[in-house]
Amino acid sequence: KQEVTQIPAALSVPEGENLVLNCSFTDSAIYNLQWFRQDPGKGLTSLLLIQSSQREQTSGRLNASLDKSSGRSTLYIAASQPGDSATYLCAVLGDSSYKLIFGSGTRLLVRP
Amino acid sequence: EADIYQTPRYLVIGTGKKITLECSQTMGHDKMYWYQQDPGMELHLIHYSYGVNSTEKGDLSSESTVSRIRTEHFPLTLESARPSHTSQYLCASSVGHTEKLFFGSGTQLSVL
Repeated sequence: KQEVTQIPAALSVPEGENLVLNCSFTDSAIYNLQWFRQDPGKGLTSLLLIQSSQREQTSGRLNASLDKSSGRSTLYIAASQPGDSATYLCAVLGDSSYKLIFGSGTRLLVRP
Repeated sequence: EADIYQTPRYLVIGTGKKITLECSQTMGHDKMYWYQQDPGMELHLIHYSYGVNSTEKGDLSSESTVSRIRTEHFPLTLESARPSHTSQYLCASSVGHTEKLFFGSGTQLSVL
């Protein structure tokens, strides 16, 4: 059974710092991995999607990497801003599965 | 970016009431999903649909039911709401072979 873990559960950094959020999964037979952002009381916004054959994806200040063999993904945020404050979730879609398995998220606070 | 809508945004009702949470998308996506999320917790899939007249239960046991009569519409119904149904309900749809998910803003349900 696929399990997704995110570390740390919460993170507080001063504005301008570069930071890394971690996601690990137990079953490497994945179709893709997605990173989402969730603001309090809101739905999820897709940030980056990495197919199983890819190593990384970039969008603006965000870079996500994927190491299938070790069951790990990282989300790198460069030059963090207060507007980046949110919960970041990773989710894995299995090779033979119909559903995404979500981690419990990392709550990020970027202090001005 | 995504055209997926959920109504109502917030709902407070009494125990025993029948309710329907609406979800519509205008992107022509075949696959649609309902997730349940408690504050600070993981998302759990409760229903999904691969197309018209196709519905399946997800991992998390739910007393709700869904229907998919039209591609764009995927309503969720609770026949008799209970306080244990208090949660946030998130609707999503996905596109093509990438399975990138687009989420609605969610319905925050409180059953008194």
